[in-house]
Amino acid sequence: EVQLVESGGGLVKPGGSLRLSCAASGFTFSNAWMRWVRQAPGKGLEWVGRIKTKGDGETTDYAAPVRGRFTISRDDSKNTLYLQMNNLKIEDTAVYYCATIDGSTGYVYWGQGTLVTVSS
Amino acid sequence: EVVLTQSPGTLSLSPGERATLSCRASQSVSSNYLAWYQQKPGQAPRLLIYVASSRATGIPDRFSGSGSGTDFTLTISRLEPEDFAVYYCQQYGSSPWTFGQGTKVEIK
Repeated sequence: EVQLVESGGGLVKPGGSLRLSCAASGFTFSNAWMRWVRQAPGKGLEWVGRIKTKGDGETTDYAAPVRGRFTISRDDSKNTLYLQMNNLKIEDTAVYYCATIDGSTGYVYWGQGTLVTVSS
Repeated sequence: EVVLTQSPGTLSLSPGERATLSCRASQSVSSNYLAWYQQKPGQAPRLLIYVASSRATGIPDRFSGSGSGTDFTLTISRLEPEDFAVYYCQQYGSSPWTFGQGTKVEIK
């Protein structure tokens, strides 16, 4: 069974930093492109960024609002995805989800999310 | 990027009625990688449909998806009380993933 479990959320002041983790199991993590998606309170879903596999160069791509402040990385030995968030802004307050696709079926897997609150 | 437009914004229906939700893409969705989600307050999105028409694990057969290219539909054949929620479509065939703005299905 595929499982994605996010952690690391919490309350942080504007300008602060936070690192989120996503522990993956039930599939070959090293073969999967991974994504982060967020949802601000009362708003819709927003793609944050993506990281490819090591074989595809671990290339990353980011949404414009977070580019230059957020960094996605992965540790295939630990089956874990990370989101390093620096210079946090109030508008980064959201539930952050990690997600991936089963490339053979097109099935989309999501975690349960972790809440990040940026407030003074 | 692919822009998804959902309609209507709100659907007011009674239990037992049929719900038809639309999702239109600004360009063809690659590989028909179009998903539908249900979301209730305080909960993560729940995958209902993937690849436009395949039901996710454990999803009742009153939920069905159809369409291809740029026009997609989610149909709930007979609304149950637990179906009143917000529904999102998502395309994941090209980067960045994009989402519709949501359709709220409310009790009339």
